Amino acid sequence: DTAVSQTPKYLVTQMGNDKSIKCEQNLGHDTMYWYKQDSKKFLKIMFSYNNKELIINETVPNRFSPKSPDKAHLNLHINSLELGDSAVYFCASSQGTTGEQFFGPGTRLTVL
Amino acid sequence: AQSVSQHNHHVILSEAASLELGCNYSYGGTVNLFWYVQYPGQHLQLLLKYFSGDPLVKGIKGFEAEFIKSKFSFNLRKPSVQWSDTAEYFCAVLSGGSYIPTFGRGTSLIVHP
Repeated sequence: DTAVSQTPKYLVTQMGNDKSIKCEQNLGHDTMYWYKQDSKKFLKIMFSYNNKELIINETVPNRFSPKSPDKAHLNLHINSLELGDSAVYFCASSQGTTGEQFFGPGTRLTVL
Repeated sequence: AQSVSQHNHHVILSEAASLELGCNYSYGGTVNLFWYVQYPGQHLQLLLKYFSGDPLVKGIKGFEAEFIKSKFSFNLRKPSVQWSDTAEYFCAVLSGGSYIPTFGRGTSLIVHP
């Protein structure tokens, strides 16, 4: 069973389009995250969300918005895609305050 | 704010060589410490973690790390690397009062057969 899953695995789209990436975890964790990994492998936290609060990295453009229909899902919606949004996006989850992250397989986004 | 430094950005070794990757953090309070590995084209997986107790932590695949509180360090070691250890390695630190860890920039390890 996949603990943290993401769809799609690859996403190729044109500048200006709007797209979503879906994430689901079946670990029963209470917190989910979105990370962006650039071409130099630098991992940047974008959002963290549990059922009580959303924490947004202030450097993330407001074109990016997380949407959580329930505790097991945290989707990432991106408006007006730009070339610089090309990256690998990882969803992750954790339980409590240990900080241990369980990562999804990643979504490679390419904006043309 | 917490910061995490991984001083070795790129490491190239031959098989059977010993490995030590550095990780230093800035916050001096209670911390949880992690090393993750990312094999080419894959997601990050946990190698080992330290929450408390014995500062020498054993992880998967023969890796270990030592927490030295006085040096704010959590270096990763392996006595004999294999070609299959070629990957990106990330150190992460969770400071007391937060549930979001801070990741280092990663170290790219290439092991030549």
